[in-house]
Amino acid sequence: EDKVVQSPLSLVVHEGDTVTLNCSYEVTNFRSLLWYKQEKKAPTFLFMLTSSGIEKKSGRLSSILDKKELSSILNITATQTGDSAIYLCAVRDGGSQGNLIFGKGTKLSVKP
Amino acid sequence: GAGVSQSPRYKVAKRGQDVALRCDPISGHVSLFWYQQALGQGPEFLTYFQNEAQLDKSGLPSDRFFAERPEGSVSTLKIQRTQQEDSAVYLCASSSAFVAGELFFGEGSRLTVL
Repeated sequence: EDKVVQSPLSLVVHEGDTVTLNCSYEVTNFRSLLWYKQEKKAPTFLFMLTSSGIEKKSGRLSSILDKKELSSILNITATQTGDSAIYLCAVRDGGSQGNLIFGKGTKLSVKP
Repeated sequence: GAGVSQSPRYKVAKRGQDVALRCDPISGHVSLFWYQQALGQGPEFLTYFQNEAQLDKSGLPSDRFFAERPEGSVSTLKIQRTQQEDSAVYLCASSSAFVAGELFFGEGSRLTVL
């Protein structure tokens, strides 16, 4: 059965800290891995990683895909209180009609 | 529209009532997904449409759940004879692509069954 596991489930840091969120997956036919940020509303898209694009960066956020280890990390540097959210990792299986399989998320709390 | 719109945002139902949740995807998006998100969990897939065709309904938890998208745009998720375990946020997402690409999510409909 396809699955996505995120760790840690929750994390509390102080402003300015750097954090690393982990995502590991088992899917039959990997197509892509996506990261979303979810505050108290709709998940918003951060990155999509594929075999042809294993590293993405946007401002203080960056993500790397390790296809050999079947995992990905999301890094956030110089954290701010506005980074507090649930970070969701999702994997698309090539045979799944485009459906995303989500992990349970990592709840990040950034204290002032 | 500018984004995925869902209504109602909040719904309280008595056990046994039927409910209908609406999703208005981004204009022109061919793919539409419904997810169920319980408290403290990631979204769980319910069903998928490509235009008006329901291509995958393997995630629907029981035959009390029914979804439709008759004209390939707006979709409705209907839950009959609601149970307490149906309490969750129901997220709708759409995508312009058939298989690849990011999904754009609505803000969800929070259902509470008393």
